[in-house]
Amino acid sequence: QQPVQSPQAVILREGEDAVINCSSSKALYSVHWYRQKHGEAPVFLMILLKGGEQKGHDKISASFNEKKQQSSLYLTASQLSYSGTYFCGTGGGGSNYKLTFGKGTLLTVNP
Amino acid sequence: SAVISQKPSRDICQRGTSLTIQCQVDSQVTMMFWYRQQPGQSLTLIATANQGSEATYESGFVIDKFPISRPNLTFSTLTVSNMSPEDSSIYLCSVEALGLAGGYNEQFFGPGTRLTVL
Repeated sequence: QQPVQSPQAVILREGEDAVINCSSSKALYSVHWYRQKHGEAPVFLMILLKGGEQKGHDKISASFNEKKQQSSLYLTASQLSYSGTYFCGTGGGGSNYKLTFGKGTLLTVNP
Repeated sequence: SAVISQKPSRDICQRGTSLTIQCQVDSQVTMMFWYRQQPGQSLTLIATANQGSEATYESGFVIDKFPISRPNLTFSTLTVSNMSPEDSSIYLCSVEALGLAGGYNEQFFGPGTRLTVL
């Protein structure tokens, strides 16, 4: 089941904040966040695991509500380099890395 | 971390032909995956490439159409067989490997192969 991301697109000015949401209709074991710039491969941002463990790069924060089967990615004080499409990928039992990706959220940061 | 290269980077093919895409990783990895991404769309998992055994395909993808080889822990190929224009897409391989900061695994993606079928 494909997770649902919202919003589909968001436009920010540099320095503004944004939240991208990801929800699933089935139980989640892990949520992965990626950013993909046009014409490039997706790049890992963060993994959130059932039980509360989080691993990721600095300056990116996210939450994972297991009960609600939702995750949110928080982008604060956005920079031009944050522009791209953000995907959440959800992992099921058996393999955290066999991922089902959402449709993506296009983030545009303007000067 | 893992650095992944794919060949070819792009190709234009005729309907009914087949194309084999290669994926090379700079370190030994257990898990390798093949994804398809149509322009502006999400990533769809095709299959998990298993070393020493048959690939595991996702619903909607079959071995006859997308045969996969995984001869060792650093290399895999995906063949798109009997192509039609609907197969036009970007095909990406990915691997699970130790993250750049250590302590956890990340999924690293290759640069992709852009396929156009006429």
